[in-house]
Amino acid sequence: DAGVIQSPRHEVTEMGQEVTLRCKPISGHDYLFWYRQTMMRGLELLIYFNNNVPIDDSGMPEDRFSAKMPNASFSTLKIQPSEPRDSAVYFCASSPGGGAWGGELFFGEGSRLTVL
Amino acid sequence: AQKVTQAQTEISVVEKEDVTLDCVYETRDTTYYLFWYKQPPSGELVFLIRRNSFDEQNEISGRYSWNFQKSTSSFNFTITASQVVDSAVYFCALSEANSGYALNFGKGTSLLVTP
Repeated sequence: DAGVIQSPRHEVTEMGQEVTLRCKPISGHDYLFWYRQTMMRGLELLIYFNNNVPIDDSGMPEDRFSAKMPNASFSTLKIQPSEPRDSAVYFCASSPGGGAWGGELFFGEGSRLTVL
Repeated sequence: AQKVTQAQTEISVVEKEDVTLDCVYETRDTTYYLFWYKQPPSGELVFLIRRNSFDEQNEISGRYSWNFQKSTSSFNFTITASQVVDSAVYFCALSEANSGYALNFGKGTSLLVTP
Protein backbone atom coordinates (compact mmCIF):
# COMPACT_ATOMS: atom_id res chain seq x y z
CA ASP A 1 0.00 0.00 0.00
CA ALA A 2 1.26 3.50 -0.83
CA GLY A 3 0.38 4.98 2.55
CA VAL A 4 -1.16 8.38 3.11
CA ILE A 5 -0.08 10.79 0.41
CA GLN A 6 0.05 14.52 0.98
CA SER A 7 0.80 17.34 -1.39
CA PRO A 8 2.52 19.68 -1.63
CA ARG A 9 5.36 18.71 0.70
CA HIS A 10 6.45 22.32 0.95
CA GLU A 11 4.58 25.51 0.23
CA VAL A 12 5.78 29.06 0.56
CA THR A 13 3.23 31.75 -0.04
CA GLU A 14 2.53 35.35 0.76
CA MET A 15 0.06 36.61 3.28
CA GLY A 16 -3.41 36.88 1.84
CA GLN A 17 -3.00 34.11 -0.70
CA GLU A 18 -5.17 31.01 -0.79
CA VAL A 19 -3.50 27.75 0.19
CA THR A 20 -4.84 24.29 -0.60
CA LEU A 21 -3.35 21.19 0.95
CA ARG A 22 -4.28 17.79 -0.38
CA CYS A 23 -4.47 14.32 1.07
CA LYS A 24 -5.09 10.85 -0.29
CA PRO A 25 -5.86 8.40 2.53
CA ILE A 26 -5.12 4.71 2.56
CA SER A 27 -7.74 2.82 0.64
CA GLY A 28 -10.38 1.27 2.88
CA HIS A 29 -9.79 3.57 5.82
CA ASP A 30 -13.01 5.11 7.09
CA TYR A 31 -11.47 7.92 9.11
CA LEU A 32 -9.44 10.88 7.94
CA PHE A 33 -7.80 13.44 10.21
CA TRP A 34 -6.08 16.77 9.68
CA TYR A 35 -3.51 17.85 12.28
CA ARG A 36 -1.36 20.93 12.57
CA GLN A 37 2.02 20.97 14.27
CA THR A 38 3.70 24.10 15.60
CA MET A 39 6.38 24.61 18.18
CA MET A 40 4.07 26.54 20.44
CA ARG A 41 1.00 24.33 20.34
CA GLY A 42 2.37 20.92 19.41
CA LEU A 43 0.15 18.56 17.43
CA GLU A 44 -3.42 19.82 17.25
CA LEU A 45 -6.38 18.06 15.72
CA LEU A 46 -8.12 20.37 13.28
CA ILE A 47 -10.91 18.19 11.92
CA TYR A 48 -11.77 14.60 11.25
CA PHE A 49 -14.07 12.80 8.87
CA ASN A 50 -15.83 9.47 9.09
CA ASN A 51 -16.99 8.01 5.79
CA ASN A 52 -16.41 11.39 4.13
CA VAL A 53 -18.60 13.24 6.62
CA PRO A 54 -17.03 15.87 8.89
CA ILE A 55 -17.59 14.75 12.46
CA ASP A 56 -15.68 17.21 14.59
CA ASP A 57 -14.29 20.49 13.30
CA SER A 58 -13.96 22.16 16.68
CA GLY A 59 -10.21 22.36 16.20
CA MET A 60 -10.41 24.49 13.07
CA PRO A 61 -8.94 27.79 14.21
CA GLU A 62 -11.26 30.15 12.38
CA ASP A 63 -13.41 30.68 9.33
CA ARG A 64 -10.38 31.10 7.13
CA PHE A 65 -9.89 27.35 7.39
CA SER A 66 -12.10 24.86 5.59
CA ALA A 67 -11.81 21.17 4.86
CA LYS A 68 -13.64 18.93 2.48
CA MET A 69 -13.74 15.27 1.63
CA PRO A 70 -15.65 14.89 -1.63
CA ASN A 71 -14.95 11.16 -1.83
CA ALA A 72 -13.25 8.37 0.06
CA SER A 73 -9.92 8.89 -1.64
CA PHE A 74 -9.38 12.62 -1.42
CA SER A 75 -9.50 15.46 1.08
CA THR A 76 -8.45 19.10 1.02
CA LEU A 77 -7.63 21.64 3.67
CA LYS A 78 -7.94 25.20 2.46
CA ILE A 79 -6.78 28.42 4.08
CA GLN A 80 -8.13 31.63 2.62
CA PRO A 81 -6.70 34.16 3.19
CA SER A 82 -3.49 32.83 4.67
CA GLU A 83 -1.63 34.62 7.46
CA PRO A 84 1.92 34.26 8.80
CA ARG A 85 0.62 32.59 11.97
CA ASP A 86 -0.69 29.74 9.82
CA SER A 87 2.88 28.67 9.17
CA ALA A 88 3.13 25.09 10.40
CA VAL A 89 3.40 21.50 9.32
CA TYR A 90 0.02 20.07 8.40
CA PHE A 91 -0.39 16.33 8.72
CA CYS A 92 -3.09 14.20 7.24
CA ALA A 93 -3.78 10.78 8.74
CA SER A 94 -6.18 7.97 8.05
CA SER A 95 -7.42 5.12 10.16
CA PRO A 96 -9.60 2.05 9.81
CA GLY A 97 -11.11 2.91 13.18
CA GLY A 98 -11.19 0.74 16.26
CA GLY A 99 -11.51 -3.00 16.63
CA ALA A 100 -8.49 -5.03 15.64
CA TRP A 101 -6.62 -1.94 14.50
CA GLY A 102 -7.11 -0.24 17.83
CA GLY A 103 -7.49 3.20 16.37
CA GLU A 104 -3.99 3.46 14.94
CA LEU A 105 -3.50 6.50 12.75
CA PHE A 106 -1.34 6.28 9.68
CA PHE A 107 0.26 9.63 8.96
CA GLY A 108 1.36 11.23 5.76
CA GLU A 109 4.73 12.93 5.58
CA GLY A 110 3.21 16.33 6.18
CA SER A 111 2.95 19.59 4.27
CA ARG A 112 5.22 22.34 5.53
CA LEU A 113 3.54 25.69 5.00
CA THR A 114 5.36 29.00 5.27
CA VAL A 115 3.34 32.18 4.96
CA LEU A 116 5.46 35.29 4.49
CA ALA B 1 -8.00 20.22 29.47
CA GLN B 2 -4.84 18.43 28.52
CA LYS B 3 -5.60 14.75 28.26
CA VAL B 4 -2.03 13.60 27.83
CA THR B 5 0.80 15.02 29.88
CA GLN B 6 4.43 14.51 29.10
CA ALA B 7 6.13 16.37 31.88
CA GLN B 8 9.63 16.02 30.46
CA THR B 9 10.18 18.57 27.73
CA GLU B 10 13.78 17.63 26.97
CA ILE B 11 16.04 14.84 28.05
CA SER B 12 19.71 14.48 27.28
CA VAL B 13 21.59 11.23 27.87
CA VAL B 14 24.87 9.71 26.88
CA GLU B 15 24.85 6.74 24.58
CA LYS B 16 24.23 3.38 26.29
CA GLU B 17 22.34 4.94 29.16
CA ASP B 18 18.79 3.81 29.85
CA VAL B 19 16.11 6.47 29.65
CA THR B 20 12.43 6.53 30.60
CA LEU B 21 9.91 8.87 29.05
CA ASP B 22 6.88 9.56 31.19
CA CYS B 23 3.29 9.81 30.05
CA VAL B 24 0.20 10.43 32.14
CA TYR B 25 -3.24 10.43 30.60
CA GLU B 26 -6.76 11.37 31.57
CA THR B 27 -9.98 9.85 30.29
CA ARG B 28 -13.45 8.88 31.45
CA ASP B 29 -13.90 6.30 28.71
CA THR B 30 -13.57 2.65 29.56
CA THR B 31 -12.43 1.85 26.04
CA TYR B 32 -9.38 3.74 24.92
CA TYR B 33 -6.01 3.25 23.31
CA LEU B 34 -2.61 4.59 24.13
CA PHE B 35 0.16 5.15 21.65
CA TRP B 36 3.74 6.21 21.35
CA TYR B 37 4.97 7.87 18.19
CA LYS B 38 8.50 8.89 17.30
CA GLN B 39 9.31 11.97 15.24
CA PRO B 40 12.92 11.96 14.04
CA PRO B 41 14.57 15.12 12.72
CA SER B 42 13.27 14.29 9.25
CA GLY B 43 9.79 15.11 10.53
CA GLU B 44 7.64 12.08 9.85
CA LEU B 45 5.58 10.48 12.59
CA VAL B 46 6.55 6.88 13.19
CA PHE B 47 4.22 4.56 15.05
CA LEU B 48 5.91 2.65 17.87
CA ILE B 49 3.25 0.93 19.93
CA ARG B 50 -0.44 0.72 20.72
CA ARG B 51 -2.05 -0.50 23.91
CA ASN B 52 -5.75 -0.88 24.61
CA SER B 53 -7.35 -0.14 27.94
CA PHE B 54 -8.08 -3.79 28.62
CA ASP B 55 -4.53 -4.99 28.27
CA GLU B 56 -2.17 -3.89 31.00
CA GLN B 57 0.57 -6.28 30.07
CA ASN B 58 3.89 -4.61 29.66
CA GLU B 59 5.59 -5.01 26.34
CA ILE B 60 9.16 -5.31 25.23
CA SER B 61 10.41 -4.88 21.70
CA GLY B 62 14.15 -5.02 21.42
CA ARG B 63 15.57 -2.11 23.37
CA TYR B 64 12.14 -0.58 23.83
CA SER B 65 9.74 -1.40 26.64
CA TRP B 66 6.47 0.05 27.79
CA ASN B 67 4.88 0.07 31.23
CA PHE B 68 1.12 0.58 31.27
CA GLN B 69 -0.45 1.15 34.70
CA LYS B 70 -4.14 2.02 34.84
CA SER B 71 -3.95 2.64 38.58
CA THR B 72 -1.73 5.64 37.99
CA SER B 73 -2.99 6.44 34.45
CA SER B 74 0.50 6.15 33.13
CA PHE B 75 2.06 4.68 30.03
CA ASN B 76 5.80 5.08 30.31
CA PHE B 77 8.35 4.26 27.67
CA THR B 78 11.87 3.03 28.39
CA ILE B 79 14.75 2.84 25.97
CA THR B 80 17.51 0.54 27.16
CA ALA B 81 21.09 1.14 26.08
CA SER B 82 20.19 4.26 24.14
CA GLN B 83 21.80 5.01 20.80
CA VAL B 84 22.38 8.22 18.89
CA VAL B 85 19.73 7.15 16.37
CA ASP B 86 17.16 7.28 19.17
CA SER B 87 17.44 11.07 19.18
CA ALA B 88 13.99 12.32 18.29
CA VAL B 89 10.83 13.78 19.72
CA TYR B 90 8.60 11.16 21.26
CA PHE B 91 4.88 11.67 21.55
CA CYS B 92 2.44 9.85 23.77
CA ALA B 93 -1.16 9.90 22.57
CA LEU B 94 -4.62 8.87 23.72
CA SER B 95 -7.43 7.67 21.50
CA GLU B 96 -10.97 7.35 22.82
CA ALA B 97 -13.76 5.43 21.19
CA ASN B 98 -16.18 8.26 21.91
CA SER B 99 -14.03 10.72 19.98
CA GLY B 100 -13.86 8.77 16.74
CA TYR B 101 -10.41 7.50 17.66
CA ALA B 102 -8.83 10.89 17.07
CA LEU B 103 -5.46 11.01 18.76
CA ASN B 104 -4.87 13.49 21.56
CA PHE B 105 -1.16 14.06 21.65
CA GLY B 106 1.02 15.12 24.51
CA LYS B 107 3.45 17.98 23.95
CA GLY B 108 6.26 15.54 23.29
CA THR B 109 9.60 14.82 24.88
CA SER B 110 12.71 15.72 22.94
CA LEU B 111 15.38 13.10 23.51
CA LEU B 112 18.99 13.82 22.66
CA VAL B 113 21.45 10.96 22.81
CA THR B 114 25.07 12.02 22.58
CA PRO B 115 28.03 9.79 21.80
